[in-house]
Amino acid sequence: KQEVTQIPAALSVPEGENLVLNCSFTDSAIYNLQWFRQDPGKGLTSLLLIQSSQREQTSGRLNASLDKSSGRSTLYIAASQPGDSATYLCAVRDGNNRKLIWGLGTSLAVNP
Amino acid sequence: GAVVSQHPSRVICKSGTSVKIECRSLDFQATTMFWYRQFPKQSLMLMATSNEGSKATYEQGVEKDKFLINHASLTLSTLTVTSAHPEDSSFYICSATGQGGTYSYNEQFFGPGTRLTVL
Repeated sequence: KQEVTQIPAALSVPEGENLVLNCSFTDSAIYNLQWFRQDPGKGLTSLLLIQSSQREQTSGRLNASLDKSSGRSTLYIAASQPGDSATYLCAVRDGNNRKLIWGLGTSLAVNP
Repeated sequence: GAVVSQHPSRVICKSGTSVKIECRSLDFQATTMFWYRQFPKQSLMLMATSNEGSKATYEQGVEKDKFLINHASLTLSTLTVTSAHPEDSSFYICSATGQGGTYSYNEQFFGPGTRLTVL
């Protein structure tokens, strides 16, 4: 059974720092992996989608990598800003049933 | 990314009433829609998956007579919580995958969510 773990559960950093959020999954048979952002009381915003055949995706200050064989993905945020404060969720699409399996998220606070 | 809207964003109702939540894909055809619920400080829980024109597939433990899902068109799905009770209070989020423009058919886009409070 696929399980997704995100570390750390919470992170507080000063503005301007580069930071890395980690996501690990137990079954390497994934279809793709998606990173989302969720603001308090709001829905989810898709940040990056990495197909199983890809190694990384970039969008602005965000870079996500995927190492399928080791079951890991990282989300790199460069030059963090207070507006980046949110919960970041990692989800893998199971290669068998195509369902999204979710991590519990990393709650990020970027302090001015 | 693609835009998914939900209405209403917040609803408060009395116990025993039914509540309908609408989910629309605004700029793509949503061939598949998903309904999730989320409790505070917990991750999303998939309730059901629906394909346009077909009956929804419910996850184990989700009562299909309690949570009625209709996906009648490629841009609209509705979730009706029938005879709502306080334990149904939650944050309901819809999501969609589909076709249109440059969007990958297997990338999921999410609505802003609906906060349901049952008194």
